[in-house]
Amino acid sequence: KQEVTQIPAALSVPEGENLVLNCSFTDSAIYNLQWFRQDPGKGLTSLLLIQSSQREQTSGRLNASLDKSSGRSTLYIAASQPGDSATYLCAARMDSSYKLIFGSGTRLLVRP
Amino acid sequence: DAGVIQSPRHEVTEMGQEVTLRCKPISGHNSLFWYRQTMMRGLELLIYFNNNVPIDDSGMPEDRFSAKMPNASFSTLKIQPSEPRDSAVYFCASSLRQGFGLAGEGSKNIQYFGAGTRLSVL
Repeated sequence: KQEVTQIPAALSVPEGENLVLNCSFTDSAIYNLQWFRQDPGKGLTSLLLIQSSQREQTSGRLNASLDKSSGRSTLYIAASQPGDSATYLCAARMDSSYKLIFGSGTRLLVRP
Repeated sequence: DAGVIQSPRHEVTEMGQEVTLRCKPISGHNSLFWYRQTMMRGLELLIYFNNNVPIDDSGMPEDRFSAKMPNASFSTLKIQPSEPRDSAVYFCASSLRQGFGLAGEGSKNIQYFGAGTRLSVL
């Protein structure tokens, strides 16, 4: 059974700092891995999707990497801003399945 | 496009009452998902529709929960009778497809979420 874990559960950093959020999964037979952002009281917004055949994806200040062999994905946020404050969730989609298995999220606070 | 639209945004009801949550997916999307989010269990998939047909409802908690998708632009999630433990935020999401095509088509698998319905059962 796939389990997705995110560390740390919460993170507080000063504005301008580069940071890394971690996501680990127990079963390497994933089809893709997705990173989402959730603002309080809002739905999820897709940030990046990495196919299993890819190593990384970039969008603006965000870079997500995927290492299937080690069961890890990281989300790198460059030059963090207060507007980046939100909960970040990763979700693994397994081979031959449409289900997303979500981690519990990392709650990020970027202090001005 | 307005995105995935859910209604109501908030619902407060008494135990035993029927609750109906509504979802309008993004036009042209053929996959629709209902999720439930709680502090204890995080985000869980309840049911998945493809081309209006329920493909997997194994995540539906029990017979009190039912979901329908009468056409490509509308879906409902009904709880009857509701119980306090059903209190949660319910999300609807849609995607263009959920296939297993070439790597380049991965973006079509991206799920777009609605703002959710916060349900409180007293």
